[in-house]
Amino acid sequence: TQLLEQSPQFLSIQEGENLTVYCNSSSVFSSLQWYRQEPGEGPVLLVTVVTGGEVKKLKRLTFQFGDARKDSSLHITAAQPGDTGLYLCAGARGYSTLTFGKGTMLLVSP
Amino acid sequence: ETGVTQTPRHLVMGMTNKKSLKCEQHLGHNAMYWYKQSAKKPLELMFVYSLEERVENNSVPSRFSPECPNSSHLFLHLHTLQPEDSALYLCASSQDHDNNEQFFGPGTRLTVL
Repeated sequence: TQLLEQSPQFLSIQEGENLTVYCNSSSVFSSLQWYRQEPGEGPVLLVTVVTGGEVKKLKRLTFQFGDARKDSSLHITAAQPGDTGLYLCAGARGYSTLTFGKGTMLLVSP
Repeated sequence: ETGVTQTPRHLVMGMTNKKSLKCEQHLGHNAMYWYKQSAKKPLELMFVYSLEERVENNSVPSRFSPECPNSSHLFLHLHTLQPEDSALYLCASSQDHDNNEQFFGPGTRLTVL
């Protein structure tokens, strides 16, 4: 049973478009992280959200943690080809190790 | 550059070979991890070391043997692997085992023939 469901699995858009990807679970997490993984590289941490309802912004990326701390979303405004990559969410319960979703593969074409 | 390096970046081996993957972190972290990343699957945690002691082993076959000689270095020794073990093997580190912000290396792409 996968604890973290990410959707969509794959997204192909044109430069300049906006998009939202989702990370959902039936479990409560103490914190949730988003990573981006580019081809041939390891995942790179983008943000950690801790408080239910929390919103964090990183340039054109907006991350939100659900009120119940079971889900999260990532919104990208005016996507650019450099945003291409695999977006992974990972949840933590207390001090336990992370549980990862399968990821959303984003392709932004010029 | 995340401060975590892995070698080799690519490895092709036969099922009877013995090889080792190496990971080094330059961040002063106390915890290190091995993950397996296969297509269409979530990252699978294999081993966790905290202050050079193994704290977690997620039912990984004995053909994978980790070694952590100090807090900066982590090895994964491979022997008698199967084709289904082909995957991207990622090393990560964090400040402490209870700090969830992990820094990943670029991975070793392993192909078992």
